[in-house]
This record gives sequence, C-alpha cells and structure tokens, in this order.
Amino acid sequence: KQEVTQIPAALSVPEGENLVLNCSFTDSAIYNLQWFRQDPGKGLTSLLLIQSSQREQTSGRLNASLDKSSGRSTLYIAASQPGDSATYLCAVRGLTGGGNKLTFGTGTQLKVEL
Amino acid sequence: DAGVIQSPRHEVTEMGQEVTLRCKPISGHNSLFWYRQTMMRGLELLIYFNNNVPIDDSGMPEDRFSAKMPNASFSTLKIQPSEPRDSAVYFCASNQGSTVPNYGYTFGSGTRLTVV
Repeated sequence: KQEVTQIPAALSVPEGENLVLNCSFTDSAIYNLQWFRQDPGKGLTSLLLIQSSQREQTSGRLNASLDKSSGRSTLYIAASQPGDSATYLCAVRGLTGGGNKLTFGTGTQLKVEL
Repeated sequence: DAGVIQSPRHEVTEMGQEVTLRCKPISGHNSLFWYRQTMMRGLELLIYFNNNVPIDDSGMPEDRFSAKMPNASFSTLKIQPSEPRDSAVYFCASNQGSTVPNYGYTFGSGTRLTVV
C-alpha cells in the first residue's frame, strides 16, 4: 500500500526566504506526482505535475523535483511571500489499483511572516 | 471551463437525515473521484468512476454511503442516515485518467458537511 509522508508538518519563515518542502513515498511504481496548494476553507489548487519520466518542473517561483527511485520529491519556493501561506500537499498517482488513484500526504502548513 | 462544480458548498443537517452531495466534472473528463478530508485522517479516497462505472469503492466507510454516476456530467454521494462522525469536507475531482495516464487531477471547491 502506497504511503506518502510530508516533512515538515508545519513551517514558519520570514518573507523573502527560499524554502524546501519534502515529500516521500514508499512505492516507486507511479505515473506522476502532483503538488497542490490548499488555502484555509478552500479546495485544492494544482501547482505542478511531474511525470514519472521527468526530473523537475518549474512554474514561476516554484520548482518541483522528483527522484522516483528513491521515492522523494521536493517543492522549492523562491523568495517566499505572505501570499504563499497555505497548506501544501503532494500526491502520487500509482500504477497499481487501476492506475488512477491519488494517494495524498498529510501536508505541510506554511506560514510566511512579514 | 468552469472547473469541477460541487453543490452545496455548505450543508448542516441533523443526525439521521439523508444528505446528498452533487458534483459536475469537467466536460471531457472520463474519471471522477470522491474524497473526504478531516483533520484526523487527511484526504481519503472514497470511490472513483471511469466512464461512469464505479471502479474502486474500497474507501467507502460503510453501507450508509453510496455514490452514483448516471451520466458523464453528474455524480452524487449520498449518506443515509447521517451521523456526526460524517462531518468533514467532501471533495469531488475529475481527470482524463482512464485514457491519458499522464493527466493531472482537478478538484472542486468541496462541500463542508456538518452533522449535528
């Protein structure tokens, strides 16, 4: 059974800092990995999608990497801003079980302070 | 594209009542998912459909929960009878996953259910 872990569970940083969020998964048989952002009381917004054959994806100040063989992904946020405060979730889509199921991590709650 | 549309946004009901949550996936998406999110358990997959057919309902907590997808543009999740422990945010998501394995997921805004 796929298990996804995110470290740290919570993070507080001053504005302007670069930061890294970590995600690890136990089963490397995946199609892809997706990073989401969730604001309090809101739904999930997709940030980046990395296919199993890719090493990284970039969007603006965000960069996500994937090391499938070691079961790890990182989300790098450059020059953090208060508007980046949210919970960040990673999710992997496994090859097994029909090949269309997302397993989520428990999330990292980020707070960027002025 | 209006995205994945869920209704209602909020639902407060009394224990024992029937609750029906609704979802309209993105047009052209052939897979639909129901997730439940709680503080204790995070996001859990309840059930998913490919081409309107339920594929995996192993996450449905018990017989009080049922889901249907009568056509490609509509799905319901029903709880009967509802209990306080069913209080959670229920998300619907869709993708083209059954035919395009590399496609990502799009989530709706969720339904916040409170059972008192």
